[in-house]
Amino acid sequence: EAGVAQSPRYKIIEKRQSVAFWCNPISGHATLYWYQQILGQGPKLLIQFQNNGVVDDSQLPKDRFSAERLKGVDSTLKIQPAKLEDSAVYLCASSLDLAGEGTDTQYFGPGTRLTVL
Amino acid sequence: QKEVEQNSGPLSVPEGAIASLNCTYSDRGSQSFFWYRQYSGKSPELIMSIYSNGDKEDGRFTAQLNKASQYVSLLIRDSQPSDSATYLCAVIGETSYDKVIFGPGTSLSVIP
Repeated sequence: EAGVAQSPRYKIIEKRQSVAFWCNPISGHATLYWYQQILGQGPKLLIQFQNNGVVDDSQLPKDRFSAERLKGVDSTLKIQPAKLEDSAVYLCASSLDLAGEGTDTQYFGPGTRLTVL
Repeated sequence: QKEVEQNSGPLSVPEGAIASLNCTYSDRGSQSFFWYRQYSGKSPELIMSIYSNGDKEDGRFTAQLNKASQYVSLLIRDSQPSDSATYLCAVIGETSYDKVIFGPGTSLSVIP
């Protein structure tokens, strides 16, 4: 079974530029998560999708971050414009979680390491 | 603000010893608890999940949950150098509207 795919793996941009990350979850997984992990910290949930609907985006900085999950499969996370403090690893995870209760195992992708200069 | 805290590291144990990792959480209504292992430069991977009070064992790993004390722990018996990693505690609240909250992680180093 293929795992969670993410691209790109690394990205270096200058502040005020825009960037987009892509995630393809494990086939059949209903729930998709985007996390931000700053070096030395635990992952912070940015947004959680159940199929193509948003379950939680309370910690997503909506003035600069946006995310979508069209057709309930793959997802993109965009930052525009980027700030220095956005430098982090962006992790995508998925779970089977058909009931949307977040209790199933989350499988993480390899992450995208973003550096904002 | 719901919080998850973990014992500060780094934690060093000799090979073959028991490593004890602790986690406390602030939301008394939390129902689901997870331990993830994260090697340096890699993504988290699930080790254990626990939902009921008591102990849950899986090989060398034992998770312990005490909801009254709002405390969950992970014991690693016969620690191996390959166990050297950061261990993340994750907590989900009472309902599907409660987001997953990860603790800051505890770095474990197993010394040969």
